Amino acid sequence: ETGVTQSPTHLIKTRGQQVTLRCSSQSGHNTVSWYQQALGQGPQFIFQYYREEENGRGNFPPRFSGLQFPNYSSELNVNALELDDSALYLCASSLASGGPIYEQYFGPGTRLTVT
Amino acid sequence: RKEVEQDPGPFNVPEGATVAFNCTYSNSASQSFFWYRQDCRKEPKLLMSVYSSGNEDGRFTAQLNRASQYISLLIRDSKLSDSATYLCVVNIPGSARQLTFGSGTQLTVLP
Repeated sequence: ETGVTQSPTHLIKTRGQQVTLRCSSQSGHNTVSWYQQALGQGPQFIFQYYREEENGRGNFPPRFSGLQFPNYSSELNVNALELDDSALYLCASSLASGGPIYEQYFGPGTRLTVT
Repeated sequence: RKEVEQDPGPFNVPEGATVAFNCTYSNSASQSFFWYRQDCRKEPKLLMSVYSSGNEDGRFTAQLNRASQYISLLIRDSKLSDSATYLCVVNIPGSARQLTFGSGTQLTVLP
């Protein structure tokens, strides 16, 4: 196991609602990245947090936002949910050490269904 | 053009076979390369990092060809437990150290 945990495991929401997903990173890791994985696709990068600051963002609208806390855990918030937001949301933790190899370890994911 | 492209398969091979997956990436400045495996409805798990000189981990061998911008994964003596989707992953340089995933290649090892 990677030591990365996510909650909840599954979630069903209605279009237009808001959702908050949570992630606890592996002990000693200071960076959390969030990904969205639609069925049959590879994970798509949403954003990354390092030392409580957003450290890069993929091609996702502003209604996707996040936080990182002093203990390096993180939240992903999605406002005004759309049907296309239905996906597996993955968080990955890593240690930003300055080296070129940057291995990330994934949590089990939260499966979000928007109806 | 997709940043990371893989043959989606599926690859159906008998137990004990050798199977190879290839992947191409578009950003020549990429520095870090990985193979992840993902079981059905589970999270991706790091299989191996890919180093410039190539590397081997048991039955798995990864190669990197920077000139042609492709990465390969060779699995020897396939086991039933190797059945999964294999994701080619490239780290795009920059402050975000973003991982870009291919769509994955599905492998089924048959008894």
